[in-house]
Amino acid sequence: QVQLQESGPGLVKPSQTLSLTCTVSGDSTSSGNYYWSWIRQPAGKGLEWIGRIYTTGSTNYNPSLESRVAMSVDTSKNQFSLKMSSVTAADTAIYYCAREEYNSGLFDYWGQGTLVTVSS
Amino acid sequence: QSALTQPASVSGSPGQSITISCTGTSSDVGHYNYVSWYQQHPGKAPKLMIYDVSNRPSGVSNRFSGSKSGNTASLTISGLQAEDEADYYCSSFTTTSTWVFGGGTTLTVL
Repeated sequence: QVQLQESGPGLVKPSQTLSLTCTVSGDSTSSGNYYWSWIRQPAGKGLEWIGRIYTTGSTNYNPSLESRVAMSVDTSKNQFSLKMSSVTAADTAIYYCAREEYNSGLFDYWGQGTLVTVSS
Repeated sequence: QSALTQPASVSGSPGQSITISCTGTSSDVGHYNYVSWYQQHPGKAPKLMIYDVSNRPSGVSNRFSGSKSGNTASLTISGLQAEDEADYYCSSFTTTSTWVFGGGTTLTVL
């Protein structure tokens, strides 16, 4: 059974960098069959795709966030990570990691989500 | 990239059918068949209900179906049940190799 679990600080100060990690079990981040994505959801609002990373380290980012976002993958730990710099209150949201099937249109497995609050 | 357009809310009575639309552009919904739909209950992660416009993952009820015409995709739920009450989101791959979601639709079962 594939499982994804987000981890990281729940509180980040404005202008600082948000850092989250997603640990994958039941599958391998070195698999060439999937991308590994981050998606967020502010309270009471819709889903926003942040970006994705492939096992090779190749990335695609949401153009509206691209200047502040960096993703990485650590296949030895079966993890992938998100860093978002210069955060503001608008970045307060539930952050989900998800598995995206390569050459298909779906996110089939999601983490439970982790709430990140940006506040001083 | 702009979010796909969904109605904010829809409602229906048990046993009825409802359809949720998802309108994009020729750079996303109209370009690829990589349109999917997600169901989200309060406090839960989204769940995949339809992928590649009209395919159902294993375990999803056949009461859920999807279609697409031009730049608009649709999700139809037939035989509405109380458990279908949730938020629904569409998503589409885009010509810039990114994903875009719809704003979400709240389904109320009356």
